[in-house]
Amino acid sequence: DAMVIQNPRYQVTQFGKPVTLSCSQTLNHNVMYWYQQKSSQAPKLLFHYYDKDFNNEADTPDNFQSRRPNTSFCFLDIRSPGLGDAAMYLCATSSTGRTEAFFGQGTRLTVV
Amino acid sequence: GEDVEQSLFLSVREGDSSVINCTYTDSSSTYLYWYKQEPGAGLQLLTYIFSNMDMKQDQRLTVLLNKKDKHLSLRIADTQTGDSAIYFCAESIDTNAGKSTFGDGTTLTVKP
Repeated sequence: DAMVIQNPRYQVTQFGKPVTLSCSQTLNHNVMYWYQQKSSQAPKLLFHYYDKDFNNEADTPDNFQSRRPNTSFCFLDIRSPGLGDAAMYLCATSSTGRTEAFFGQGTRLTVV
Repeated sequence: GEDVEQSLFLSVREGDSSVINCTYTDSSSTYLYWYKQEPGAGLQLLTYIFSNMDMKQDQRLTVLLNKKDKHLSLRIADTQTGDSAIYFCAESIDTNAGKSTFGDGTTLTVKP
């Protein structure tokens, strides 16, 4: 059974048109993360929520925002996607004090 | 800052052992992870090692950690074609398991 679910798997958006990616989890984990992975590169942490507390990485562009309305759901909003934002976006969850993180299947974003 | 380095490609024959190497720079790394990523998919945690250990074995997987040299390796015994994937080394200094720095990944190709 899928535990971290990302929707959609593939998303095509127009240059400059806001887009939202979705992540949900059935693990009841208190920490949720968003990573950006460009082709043939390492996943790069954008931000994470520790419970309701939002933690932004220092080099995450302002164009990227996130919302976590409840424990189960987390959204990634890209306000004005540029061609350079085309990537795989990975959501992950973990529980404080546990050594494992669980990743979703990712959403591949294409910007046209 | 933190940096994780891996060789980009490894090719082995089916049935041979594979050894994937990783070096990291942050001496305060607490956990070191190996993830597997198949084409178009998310990350699957394979195994992890705590920094006070020097070896961990889990079925066909053996992780060796040389903390002095900041060197981590993953050995896959009896490599199968289904093991073909990208393998990421990651390190975390944080108790939040998903807050990790990843290497660029090693593409393992297993030839029949």
